[in-house]
Parts: sequence; C-alpha cells; structure tokens
Amino acid sequence: DVKVTQSSRYLVKRTGEKVFLECVQDMDHENMFWYRQDPGLGLRLIYFSYDVKMKEKGDIPEGYSVSREKKERFSLILESASTNQTSMYLCASSLWVTGEGGNQPQHFGDGTRLSIL
Amino acid sequence: LAKTTQPISMDSYEGQEVNITCSHNNIATNDYITWYQQFPSQGPRFIIQGYKTKVTNEVASLFIPADRKSSTLSLPRVSLSDTAVYYCLVGFFGGKLIFGQGTELSVKP
Repeated sequence: DVKVTQSSRYLVKRTGEKVFLECVQDMDHENMFWYRQDPGLGLRLIYFSYDVKMKEKGDIPEGYSVSREKKERFSLILESASTNQTSMYLCASSLWVTGEGGNQPQHFGDGTRLSIL
Repeated sequence: LAKTTQPISMDSYEGQEVNITCSHNNIATNDYITWYQQFPSQGPRFIIQGYKTKVTNEVASLFIPADRKSSTLSLPRVSLSDTAVYYCLVGFFGGKLIFGQGTELSVKP
C-alpha cells in the first residue's frame, strides 16, 4: 500500500522564520504535490512536481517555494512565515499518467497542522 | 479545468442510500470525473473515477449521463463511518487536480 509520510503532524513557528515541511513517499511515484486546506476554501494547490528538480506553480504559490532533489522527497519551504500561512498542509503523490486510462489517484499524507504566531 | 458545483452539505441516516450530485457544465472531451473522501484529521482518499455511463467498485457507484455535464456518486447503505467530506474533481492532467469545497455528509443513527 502506498504510504505518504509528512514529517510533522503539528508545528508551531514564529513570523519571519524559515519553515521546512517534508514529505516522503515510498511508491516511486513521479508526481508529488503540496496543498493547503482552510475552512470554507477546500484544498488549494500550492506547487507540484512531476520529476526530480522539476516544479510547477499551483494556484497559490506566493510566499512558498519547493525542492525536489530526490524522487521520493518533496519539501515545501515558507521563506519568511507569516500568520496568514497558518493552515493544514497536505502532501500527495501519484504516478505519471499518459494516454488513456484516466487520472492516476493521488495518495495523501495525513497533513501537517502549521501555526504561525 | 472544468469548474464543479456540488451541495455544501447533506444529511442521511444509517442504512440509506446517499446520492451526491456534481455539476460540471464545461467538462472537456478528455476530462475524467474523480471523487475523493476525507475524514477529519486525514488526507483525502480516492474513491472512484469514471469517464462515461456507470462505474462501480466495492465502495461506491458513479453515474455519468451521456452529456457528461453532471455526475452522481452513490453510496449504498451508509453507516456512521461514512460521515466525511466528499469532493468531486474533473480534469485530465499530468498531475494537477482542483478541489472545490466538497460536500459534507453527515450520517445519523
């Protein structure tokens, strides 16, 4: 069974700090994603990556960056944390899809609840 | 990517069949319809995906009419443990999904 592991379930940081959220998947998936989830707004895509060292902006990339140096690991970086980045952060992975057959399911971790004080 | 519209919330009782409808008027030819389930304090979990007509698995059924402008997720004989948020997604991609607000299903005893 696919396992997506996020390094922390809960994290508390201060404004202005540089924050790293780590995600590791064990199924050799090409695609990896970072979302944030806020009440009333559902999940919103921050960044995704379809290969090592490749990244694409999602819908809300401002204030974030990502790093993918190894296929199994995808890091989300808050360059200078602000209170409006307090949220639940979810990492996901999936196989790359080509041709027919539909979308490959995304497999999610259980999230990191980040509080910025 | 097609925009989806689904009810914000629904109530049901144990043992009933629940149908959640999703509207996606501007679905594209290559788009698939995918549903996820999310329990509190967990990430979303893939339930079912389809392109047309009907798809069934051990968890749910997905009904898609010929025009594909809507779809219905059907959960047979729900239990308390089916209380969750259900998301309808439409697209075909190399990776990008768009999650809306979802439908919060509450199953009562």
